[in-house]
Amino acid sequence: GAGVSQSPSNKVTEKGKDVELRCDPISGHTALYWYRQSLGQGLEFLIYFQGNSAPDKSGLPSDRFSAERTGGSVSTLTIQRTQQEDSAVYLCASREQGFSNQPQHFGDGTRLSIL
Amino acid sequence: QKEVEQNSGPLSVPEGAIASLNCTYSDRGSQSFFWYRQYSGKSPELIMSIYSNGDKEDGRFTAQLNKASQYVSLLIRDSQPSDSATYLCAVGKNTPLVFGKGTRLSVIA
Repeated sequence: GAGVSQSPSNKVTEKGKDVELRCDPISGHTALYWYRQSLGQGLEFLIYFQGNSAPDKSGLPSDRFSAERTGGSVSTLTIQRTQQEDSAVYLCASREQGFSNQPQHFGDGTRLSIL
Repeated sequence: QKEVEQNSGPLSVPEGAIASLNCTYSDRGSQSFFWYRQYSGKSPELIMSIYSNGDKEDGRFTAQLNKASQYVSLLIRDSQPSDSATYLCAVGKNTPLVFGKGTRLSVIA
């Protein structure tokens, strides 16, 4: 079946602009996660959605970052007033249930470059 | 704070040798353990999962778990140059998985 789909695959924008990144999880997966990975670094957790529960936003680095998930499926990560330090690969993952015995499956990521 | 620790490497092994990758975790209540492989410029790809103490084998890969020691490892037998990548250990309970920073493996032909 189809995997996690992210768009765009690459995004170049000027400092100060807003960007929206999209994630379409695997069908039927109730949990959705956003991570950020800077060059040569590990995965930085950003936000987690599980079904209809309130999202876990504990990893968002500033109030310029927000995310929503409509209809329990597609999610959009928005970064307002982008800064150069926001340049990174943004990875989305989904999971069949929000419980520990299922792995997370990753999309190919969006490579964001802030000029 | 939940932590997952891995040696960053690089770990260099000759082709055909066994590569041994190690991971320790701090949350004693962790219930599931995963190894992901990440090629440069690509996203992480699941290669192994393990849930109970002992060994689990899948082809050239063996995952080993010791919950008492809070230690999980990945062995790659007959290492190939195509195994050169960063290997991420991930540990979970009823929350998002906690990822280590990864060990970079280089298999030398």
